[in-house]
Amino acid sequence: GQQVMQIPQYQHVQEGEDFTTYCNSSTTLSNIQWYKQRPGGHPVFLIQLVKSGEVKKQKRLTFQFGEAKKNSSLHITATQTTDVGTYFCAGRDNYGQNFVFGPGTRLSVLP
Amino acid sequence: DSGVTQTPKHLITATGQRVTLRCSPRSGDLSVYWYQQSLDQGLQFLIQYYNGEERAKGNILERFSAQQFPDLHSELNLSSLELGDSALYFCASSLGTSGPKETQYFGPGTRLLVL
Repeated sequence: GQQVMQIPQYQHVQEGEDFTTYCNSSTTLSNIQWYKQRPGGHPVFLIQLVKSGEVKKQKRLTFQFGEAKKNSSLHITATQTTDVGTYFCAGRDNYGQNFVFGPGTRLSVLP
Repeated sequence: DSGVTQTPKHLITATGQRVTLRCSPRSGDLSVYWYQQSLDQGLQFLIQYYNGEERAKGNILERFSAQQFPDLHSELNLSSLELGDSALYFCASSLGTSGPKETQYFGPGTRLLVL
């Protein structure tokens, strides 16, 4: 079945440093979504990417969808303590019915 | 506030028991998803309903079942509970099942503790 992996599993950064998490799917995705879950909170939708090679920006966050639509990345520039949380990618492949979440990358930002 | 409500917030029960978790989707959303999140783990997709019909099935145990009612609220039934079922159960809703309509809005979750 479809598998979605994310690396790294954990990342500790100093405030002001950049951060990147990578998402890889075993199958081609029709689209990919990114969610953020703050400690003790629920996942919150960040963005959806649909087109091959698509790049979208939200302030300090840059999202990219791979040309083959099997991988994606989230890059945060100059992290802040408010960026703390777990970032999940999620998607549905072109053949399956299930919507699969990656295991997430937990980001810690040290002040 | 996502607009998705889940009840109860917390549930403590014993092994072998049965519980029902309830979810009300955002107004206008037709699709409901259920997820299980164990401590420090990712989100395990359990099941999805769309307009009352089962749309997709994930890693849902046979002891678990769900349904979506005509008013679009959904219930997740967990039976013959085991210690390992202790987790946070999230419900999410979306407008539809593809493209932008698939953006999911999560409820606050129900924390289940099985003793």
